[in-house]
Amino acid sequence: SPELTQPPSVSVSPGQTARISCSGEALAERYAYWYQQRPGQAPVLVIFKDNERPSGIPERFSGSSSGTIVTLTISGVQAEDEADYYCQSADRNDPSWVFGGGTKLTV
Amino acid sequence: EVQLVESGGGLVQPGGSLRLSCAASGFAFSNYWMRWVRQAPGKGLVWVSHINGDGSNTDYADSVKGRFTISRDNAKETVHLQMNSLRDEDTAVYYCVLRGLGDFDFWGQGTLVTVSS
Repeated sequence: SPELTQPPSVSVSPGQTARISCSGEALAERYAYWYQQRPGQAPVLVIFKDNERPSGIPERFSGSSSGTIVTLTISGVQAEDEADYYCQSADRNDPSWVFGGGTKLTV
Repeated sequence: EVQLVESGGGLVQPGGSLRLSCAASGFAFSNYWMRWVRQAPGKGLVWVSHINGDGSNTDYADSVKGRFTISRDNAKETVHLQMNSLRDEDTAVYYCVLRGLGDFDFWGQGTLVTVSS
């Protein structure tokens, strides 16, 4: 099964830009999805299909993809963005999911 | 409004069984794949199993294959996860997850399964 690798932690000051990477061979052929999870809460989708933002998610959240690496970018980070972030891959031809190990964003 | 409500979690001894349920509402249940994702305490998200709309296609993570069985009752709009031969490492919050096209993505609140003697 494919594996996704994320950095365990990223730390930024308020107002700065946070970038969280996710790497894996499967990403070259599969869409990436990004979830935000605050303590004690269920995950919330913040980016789907590599770079699309769900309704209700602030514009400061964006996604990009290049080969086997996808990146979640949070511009103008706010204190409320402090959370764990997970990448996840999926493909229409293989519905099995795989998650990255998660990145703790500290603001 | 889409709602996913899990139930059935609790404390069970190693080797025991539990049946989780996820009651769904607010969408055309039989049209959608449903998934279970779990999260051990302090750990990351792990996909456990999925089932397609009519129940004919199921799959499982290697760690649970042969022990867990996913099923659904479209008339009752419910998906189940039968968990047998439970191990300490199955201790986790289990989430019921719906994903459709685009940003149609919903998670239940989760149900905690604790495997301990």
